[in-house]
Amino acid sequence: NAGVTQTPKFQVLKTGQSMTLQCAQDMNHEYMSWYRQDPGMGLRLIHYSVGAGITDQGEVPNGYNVSRSTTEDFPLRLLSAAPSQTSVYFCASRPQVIAKNIQYFGAGTRLSVL
Amino acid sequence: DAKTTQPPSMDCAEGRAANLPCNHSTISGNEYVYWYRQIHSQGPQYIIHGLKNNETNEMASLIITEDRKSSTLILPHATLRDTAVYYCIVTGGFKTIFGAGTRLFVKA
Repeated sequence: NAGVTQTPKFQVLKTGQSMTLQCAQDMNHEYMSWYRQDPGMGLRLIHYSVGAGITDQGEVPNGYNVSRSTTEDFPLRLLSAAPSQTSVYFCASRPQVIAKNIQYFGAGTRLSVL
Repeated sequence: DAKTTQPPSMDCAEGRAANLPCNHSTISGNEYVYWYRQIHSQGPQYIIHGLKNNETNEMASLIITEDRKSSTLILPHATLRDTAVYYCIVTGGFKTIFGAGTRLFVKA
């Protein structure tokens, strides 16, 4: 059981480049989320999804796009990377039942934008 | 989702109990209290959660006040490996919002 898998683990981009951070989970969880964590700070919610075909914005959605075509995958797209998007990105998934809102996190993607 | 307030940092001696407080005075009736921790730059790890009753598992205990406006996470015998950032989260819906958490330093 792999859990939540994020790729790549590290990435360096130049300003203006685009890229997609991949996230996949094999637990059949309905809910998936993307967070970013800047140095010394807590996690901030970027986008989340409550099921295939349904996404919504979190606290800091600007500059990022998401889609959810399958239950398993929830990719995060940076349209035009900026130095302010240098951060560690975490993907998480959890089951739908609120009484068991236990989120499982991936290992993170460390992104540097030069 | 209700907001939470936690102290930015705390110290604890190895082998002693670590008591981490959290205020959530605007919590509503259908919202749960969840605790996670983050060691170094790893992804956060679930610890425990509760609605209104006290809870205990192999990692920790959670004490929720009767009015549910605050809670305390208890690590009964802290070890050096418990040094981490601990997040208290209140959630009843789709979004899970993390605050800044409490940085716990366990000292030998």
